[in-house]
Amino acid sequence: EAQVTQNPRYLITVTGKKLTVTCSQNMNHEYMSWYRQDPGLGLRQIYYSMNVEVTDKGDVPEGYKVSRKEKRNFPLILESPSPNQTSLYFCASSLSGGFGSGYTFGSGTRLTVV
Amino acid sequence: AQSVTQPDIHITVSEGASLELRCNYSYGATPYLFWYVQSPGQGLQLLLKYFSGDTLVQGIKGFEAEFKRSQSSFNLRKPSVHWSDAAEYFCAVGEDSGGGADGLTFGKGTHLIIQP
Repeated sequence: EAQVTQNPRYLITVTGKKLTVTCSQNMNHEYMSWYRQDPGLGLRQIYYSMNVEVTDKGDVPEGYKVSRKEKRNFPLILESPSPNQTSLYFCASSLSGGFGSGYTFGSGTRLTVV
Repeated sequence: AQSVTQPDIHITVSEGASLELRCNYSYGATPYLFWYVQSPGQGLQLLLKYFSGDTLVQGIKGFEAEFKRSQSSFNLRKPSVHWSDAAEYFCAVGEDSGGGADGLTFGKGTHLIIQP
């Protein structure tokens, strides 16, 4: 089944403790992206990647890192999480750099930083 | 910069009634327009998309949307809603800078409530 898989689904952590949220897609998509969703703010893009070793900042990149060493994986790294990063995170992928095939979203990771 | 406005935060509709969710965008060129639905605890599912051509597009689950360039709108419609349509709906606009997609910009969402 074609899908985007995020792990974990739920995570509670403490301020300052480094964490990684994994994202993997099995569709050979070139384009991958991370979004955070907050009440009343909709989804905002954190980082995106057009292909292996090509990443760029989205609208809200502060406090996050990403890497794209393999085509299928696009982990989101929080080096020193803070409570304002408590949010629902979504990974998405798309076949190419354009929008023709639309985005496939993962099921989300709910992160709580205390 | 592109932006998307969904004027209605909440909408309540009776089951069987018609539905229209509003979306306005701000973008210089012809945008790529999308509607996504998010059921409680789920990820986002694509309902429909518009790139060019016929301005009335059909999507899944009986939804349709109409692109009106003069009004910068892309409103979502359904002639008769079902209780299972209760969800959060997001309008999104995409920009292709020529070097590839820079990502989607989402509206803040409209929460649809279906009353019996």
